[in-house]
Amino acid sequence: DAGVIQSPRHEVTEMGQEVTLRCKPISGHDYLFWYRQTMMRGLELLIYFNNNVPIDDSGMPEDRFSAKMPNASFSTLKIQPSEPRDSAVYFCASRRIDGSPLHFGNGTRLTVT
Amino acid sequence: DAKTTQPNSMESNEEEPVHLPCNHSTISGTDYIHWYRQLPSQGPEYVIHGLTSNVNNRMASLAIAEDRKSSTLILHRATLRDAAVYYCILRDVGDSWGKLQFGAGTQVVVTP
Repeated sequence: DAGVIQSPRHEVTEMGQEVTLRCKPISGHDYLFWYRQTMMRGLELLIYFNNNVPIDDSGMPEDRFSAKMPNASFSTLKIQPSEPRDSAVYFCASRRIDGSPLHFGNGTRLTVT
Repeated sequence: DAKTTQPNSMESNEEEPVHLPCNHSTISGTDYIHWYRQLPSQGPEYVIHGLTSNVNNRMASLAIAEDRKSSTLILHRATLRDAAVYYCILRDVGDSWGKLQFGAGTQVVVTP
């Protein structure tokens, strides 16, 4: 079990650039979650999917953020255009069935200058 | 959503037990109590969860008050590796999506 895999581990970009974060959930997991962590706001749930379908994106901060899950083994979180206030650690998590624990990746640290 | 209250930080000596309290006075009858921890530079990891009865696993024990308005996570012998932020989270069993809302947690410092 390789766990949830996120890439890149670190991303540094300039304001206005497009940023794409990637996540490979654990095989067989039906649910995928994107979280963002900052010192000020802690861990915030952005969006989650069930069987590749977005269920609730109410946590997505604004239209600059979008997430997709084209298949059961891949998801992306895109920010276009990026802004300095988007700097944070972005975590992807997955789980299999109701009540089963969430498994988190090690995150992508995004810095927008 | 029912909220939890945890101390900001706690200190412990290595190889001694750590008792992490969590208050959830507005807990409903269908809320599970979940604990996760986050080691430095890593994503959160599951520790334990329970509903009414005390629970034990290889990582920790969870003691739940009889009225369920509070719970305590017990690390039996703290090691340096247990230094982390510990999150106490409530999740309604009726919430089939199982999304978890994290609070600020408790920063545990383990001293050699």
